[in-house]
Amino acid sequence: TQLLEQSPQFLSIQEGENLTVYCNSSSVFSSLQWYRQEPGEGPVLLVTVVTGGEVKKLKRLTFQFGDARKDSSLHITAAQPGDTGLYLCAGDNAGTYKYIFGTGTRLKVLA
Amino acid sequence: NAGVMQNPRHLVRRRGQEARLRCSPMKGHSHVYWYRQLPEEGLKFMVYLQKENIIDESGMPKERFSAEFPKEGPSILRIQQVVRGDSAAYFCASSLGPPNTGELFFGEGSRLTVL
Repeated sequence: TQLLEQSPQFLSIQEGENLTVYCNSSSVFSSLQWYRQEPGEGPVLLVTVVTGGEVKKLKRLTFQFGDARKDSSLHITAAQPGDTGLYLCAGDNAGTYKYIFGTGTRLKVLA
Repeated sequence: NAGVMQNPRHLVRRRGQEARLRCSPMKGHSHVYWYRQLPEEGLKFMVYLQKENIIDESGMPKERFSAEFPKEGPSILRIQQVVRGDSAAYFCASSLGPPNTGELFFGEGSRLTVL
């Protein structure tokens, strides 16, 4: 069974601080996606990374895919209250039909 | 272009009743996925369907759960004889092409509460 472990599980920080969220697995993924989910809503895709070592930036968010395509990180610079939410990573493996979701990191940014 | 539409958004059932959750994918999407999310947890894959076909149901419980995606109309996730453990948010997603080829678009979910 492929598992994606995310850490930390919960994170509460002050506005303006930086943070990094990790997504780790013992399995290799063809691609990995990061989603943000707000209460009462469905997940919304932030980014997809497909190449080992790839780094993508989305404003204050930086995503990295590990060289071996088993792990990924999400770094947020100068966090804002609007960044509050549940961050989920999801990976897919070639030849399978399901995206495996991580356990999630619940982020709260305090004003 | 409307997104993935799920209904009902909230559903309350008593133990032993049936729950039917509906999902209309984005226009032009013929690939539908159902996920279940328990409180404070990530999403767990249940089933992947294309029009009139179940492609992968490896995440579906063997009993009481079924899914369909008919030629016409929405995809339906059906839970018979619900139990309290079925209480969860059920999310539907759709994609334009097969898995691994593009983005998954999620609906807002259907929240089932079993009393």
